[in-house]
Amino acid sequence: DADVTQTPRNRITKTGKRIMLECSQTKGHDRMYWYRQDPGLGLRLIYYSFDVKDINKGEISDGYSVSRQAQAKFSLSLESAIPNQTALYFCATSDHDRGYSNQPQHFGDGTRLSIL
Amino acid sequence: GQNIDQPTEMTATEGAIVQINCTYQTSGFNGLFWYQQHAGEAPTFLSYNVLDGLEEKGRFSSFLSRSKGYSYLLLKELQMKDSASYLCAVYHFSGGYNKLIFGAGTRLAVHP
Repeated sequence: DADVTQTPRNRITKTGKRIMLECSQTKGHDRMYWYRQDPGLGLRLIYYSFDVKDINKGEISDGYSVSRQAQAKFSLSLESAIPNQTALYFCATSDHDRGYSNQPQHFGDGTRLSIL
Repeated sequence: GQNIDQPTEMTATEGAIVQINCTYQTSGFNGLFWYQQHAGEAPTFLSYNVLDGLEEKGRFSSFLSRSKGYSYLLLKELQMKDSASYLCAVYHFSGGYNKLIFGAGTRLAVHP
């Protein structure tokens, strides 16, 4: 089984609909992240959470919200989807950093979202 | 602001060596990661540099010069399965947290 699981893997929906993307992890990591990836732009951070009671905006949080329901679960919502939110969305987790050793992020397989 | 530059595309021959460069401008630099991403798949961690110098890991090596804002990923004995995008990502300290900023990636095509 994958350590970081995203559902759904693919979703096609219409403008104005509310959408929730789910992420769950079995790695026991405290830190979880949501990114979107667009061709030519690389991965951009939407929201991140360093523990269950911690939620922080990333560089492109407008139009998105998140919920950290438990250490293992972090969901991303699009309250009213618009076509320019069509992208590949990734959830990631990491352990907390230790001194000078920054921990790598581990990614789920992604959710391909298309908004018509 | 933060900026990361890497070439958009590269091609190489099976069995050869290729070097993928990454330059960055960022405040509060706190380490650099390289990730590999096959088309339509998740990025996977390759290497991490926080101090100047070369880190070697099998066929892959990564180099960092903090004074020059420069890193490279070196892939030796190229195999067809190395055809993928390679993402340079910089950790920078901002607002009390380390944040990871990704470059747009370099798409590498390995030919027979």
